[in-house]
Amino acid sequence: DTAVSQTPKYLVTQMGNDKSIKCEQNLGHDTMYWYKQDSKKFLKIMFSYNNKELIINETVPNRFSPKSPDKAHLNLHINSLELGDSAVYFCASAGSLRTEAFFGQGTRLTVV
Amino acid sequence: GENVEQHPSTLSVQEGDSAVIKCTYSDSASNYFPWYKQELGKRPQLIIDIRSNVGEKKDQRIAVTLNKTAKHFSLHITETQPEDSAVYFCAASDLVDGLTFGKGTHLIIQP
Repeated sequence: DTAVSQTPKYLVTQMGNDKSIKCEQNLGHDTMYWYKQDSKKFLKIMFSYNNKELIINETVPNRFSPKSPDKAHLNLHINSLELGDSAVYFCASAGSLRTEAFFGQGTRLTVV
Repeated sequence: GENVEQHPSTLSVQEGDSAVIKCTYSDSASNYFPWYKQELGKRPQLIIDIRSNVGEKKDQRIAVTLNKTAKHFSLHITETQPEDSAVYFCAASDLVDGLTFGKGTHLIIQP
């Protein structure tokens, strides 16, 4: 069983569209993250969700919104997609804010 | 929030030599420092971690050192092999944001 799974693996869409990326973890973890990895490979934290408390990185546009229907899921919704949103998005989960994070396989988003 | 600086951005070493990657962090409340390896097209995976109550930790050819006073920590890889070629990320975890990563080091092992 995959510990952290995210879908889809690839997503190609036009500018202005709204899209979602799903993330599920079966590890029973209390903490989940979303990271954006750009072409320079920098892993930039977007959101951390710990015990139902959402921490938002202040540099993330409000077009991005995480949604957690339950503890095992943290989905990422993106409105009005822009060219600069093209990147690989990684979901991760951890037992707490201070323990090992397990990453999903990544979603390569391409906005055309 | 936490700020993690990582150097160098690219490191090329001869196979069999040692590689050292250095990181500094800003938040004195951070107490968990993992290192991740990311191979091309793959997800980041943990290779070693250290907590602030420990100064050094070793796992075969990999070691990590932590200087809490100076707020810096380093990854040491000895007897490098071709399969060590990858991007390595350091990270620090504080009480607020969780894991904040450095910008990564592209390690190239020359045959």
